[in-house]
Amino acid sequence: TQLLEQSPQFLSIQEGENLTVYCNSSSVFSSLQWYRQEPGEGPVLLVTVVTGGEVKKLKRLTFQFGDARKDSSLHITAAQPGDTGLYLCAGAAKTSYDKVIFGPGTSLSVIP
Amino acid sequence: DAGVIQSPRHEVTEMGQEVTLRCKPISGHDYLFWYRQTMMRGLELLIYFNNNVPIDDSGMPEDRFSAKMPNASFSTLKIQPSEPRDSAVYFCASSLLGATEAFFGQGTRLTVV
Repeated sequence: TQLLEQSPQFLSIQEGENLTVYCNSSSVFSSLQWYRQEPGEGPVLLVTVVTGGEVKKLKRLTFQFGDARKDSSLHITAAQPGDTGLYLCAGAAKTSYDKVIFGPGTSLSVIP
Repeated sequence: DAGVIQSPRHEVTEMGQEVTLRCKPISGHDYLFWYRQTMMRGLELLIYFNNNVPIDDSGMPEDRFSAKMPNASFSTLKIQPSEPRDSAVYFCASSLLGATEAFFGQGTRLTVV
């Protein structure tokens, strides 16, 4: 059974600080997605990474897919209160894009 | 497009009652997913459809749960009879590319008392 772990589970930081959250598995994924979920809303897709070692940037957010495609990280530079939310990673198995499994999420709180 | 539309946003019902959750996917999307989110178990896939056909319902917890997609623009998730442990937020999502780039609705928060 494929499982995704995320760390830390909770993170509370001051506005302007940098942070990194992690998504890890013992399984290989064909692609990995990062979503952000705000309270009372559904998850919103931020990025998809496909190639081992791939790095994608979205403004102050930097996403990296591990070389072995088993892990990923999300780095936020100069965090802002608007970054507050639950960050979920989701992985698609090598054999199928029809299903993904979600990690438990990292709950980020950025204090003004 | 208005995105994925779910109704109702909130539902409170008594144990034993039937509950029906509704979803309108984004027009043109071939895939529709029903997920359940709880603090304990996170986001779990219940069932998904491709071109209105149920493909995998292995995540449906019990026979009390059923889902239908009579056409490309509408799906329902029904729980009968409902139990307190069914309390959760239920999300519908749709996509063009399988589950890898899904658009989620705002969810239905179900409380069974």
